[in-house]
Amino acid sequence: KAGVTQTPRYLIKTRGQQVTLSCSPISGHRSVSWYQQTPGQGLQFLFEYFSETQRNKGNFPGRFSGRQFSNSRSEMNVSTLELGDSALYLCASSLYSVSGNTIYFGEGSWLTVV
Amino acid sequence: ELKVEQNPLFLSMQEGKNYTIYCNYSTTSDRLYWYRQDPGKSLESLFVLLSNGAVKQEGRLMASLDTKARLSTLHITAAVHDLSATYFCAVVSGGSNYKLTFGKGTLLTVNP
Repeated sequence: KAGVTQTPRYLIKTRGQQVTLSCSPISGHRSVSWYQQTPGQGLQFLFEYFSETQRNKGNFPGRFSGRQFSNSRSEMNVSTLELGDSALYLCASSLYSVSGNTIYFGEGSWLTVV
Repeated sequence: ELKVEQNPLFLSMQEGKNYTIYCNYSTTSDRLYWYRQDPGKSLESLFVLLSNGAVKQEGRLMASLDTKARLSTLHITAAVHDLSATYFCAVVSGGSNYKLTFGKGTLLTVNP
């Protein structure tokens, strides 16, 4: 079955611009979460959505926002981009099961801010 | 605040040798994940460990969880070059089954 799909895969933006990243979870998965990966800070949790509701939010400024649609697809938005926002943004989806919910990651969106 | 520490952060080993990566975490959690990441790639799920004493094995990798000690180990047996990658452990936190706190990762290089 198809995995977690993220678009775009690569993008370059200028400081001050905004960007929207998209994530389509594995079919049937209703939990979608986002992570930022940088060499300096490692993997950091951004937010998690379940059934269109944000259930958890990481320690990021308000410039980072997200949403989830009724079909479980999710988007995250970063406004007023800063150089430090350059990172790999990973989306993950999960289906809860008694045997333990494997969390699957997409290929990521590589964002470069110049 | 949950903290996850991995050690070592860098590991260079020869093919055929055994080694263990350690993952300690600071607060109670009953679910721990191990992931592998190749350069420029995403995270590949290796193991999900659910309970105290859980042990899972896949090929040359074996993971275990001791929730009382707040410790997980990833044991590598008879390493081969294809195992070269960065390995992350991650722990659920914040009362959510889906919010992961990651360790900094262990960069494993297996030399011929």
